[in-house]
Amino acid sequence: QSALTQPASVSGSPGQSITISCTGTNSDVGAYNFVSWYRQYPGEAPQLMIYDVTNRPSGVSHRFSGSKSGNTASLTISGLQAEDEADYYCKSYSTSSVSYVFGTGTKVTVL
Amino acid sequence: EVQLVESGGGLVQPGGSLRLSCVASGFSFGTYPMHWVRQAPGKGLEYISSILGDGSHTVYATSVKGRFTISRDNSKNTLYLQMGSLRSEDMAIYYCARDISTGFSFDVWGLGTKVTVSS
Repeated sequence: QSALTQPASVSGSPGQSITISCTGTNSDVGAYNFVSWYRQYPGEAPQLMIYDVTNRPSGVSHRFSGSKSGNTASLTISGLQAEDEADYYCKSYSTSSVSYVFGTGTKVTVL
Repeated sequence: EVQLVESGGGLVQPGGSLRLSCVASGFSFGTYPMHWVRQAPGKGLEYISSILGDGSHTVYATSVKGRFTISRDNSKNTLYLQMGSLRSEDMAIYYCARDISTGFSFDVWGLGTKVTVSS
């Protein structure tokens, strides 16, 4: 099972919006609405930010939103803040492996 | 407080074995599917294995199938990962994670336990 494809890095200035893409296939991202996004600060455990493509867990800022079109899912961070600087990973359920596959990860830098 | 605490990591020689544990607290452990995810040094997250709440069904990534075994003891609120035939590429931080109540996402993570494979 190949990892989902994410850009290695995305950057933006404070207050701007950025979007991270996550490209898979019609066996994973495109198959069901089971895409989730995780934020990971250096040396810390991942944290769930978005589940089932568009849903935010309790406590996650409304500045985070998710979407999907075909085999590509996206995470948008609005009103970028210094605390958003971290690594972000998408994850999808895969019908071909009947398990999960993570994205390659994206490092977000706040300029 | 909902919490997961991993343990059991350490230094092991290539070809050796190790058992990781993950103790859960603050929720009804036996009703949740659980997962293991790992992260090699400087690399991304890699899915490893899952187990249903009653332990009746397990899933493994191709990279560990036949070498790793996931299990759980709901009476002890504990998840396990028995790792065998360890290779240098298994060296990573291993995280346990809880499945979200609606399924297909991991909403609670432990802090991880580090596994080093070296002679």
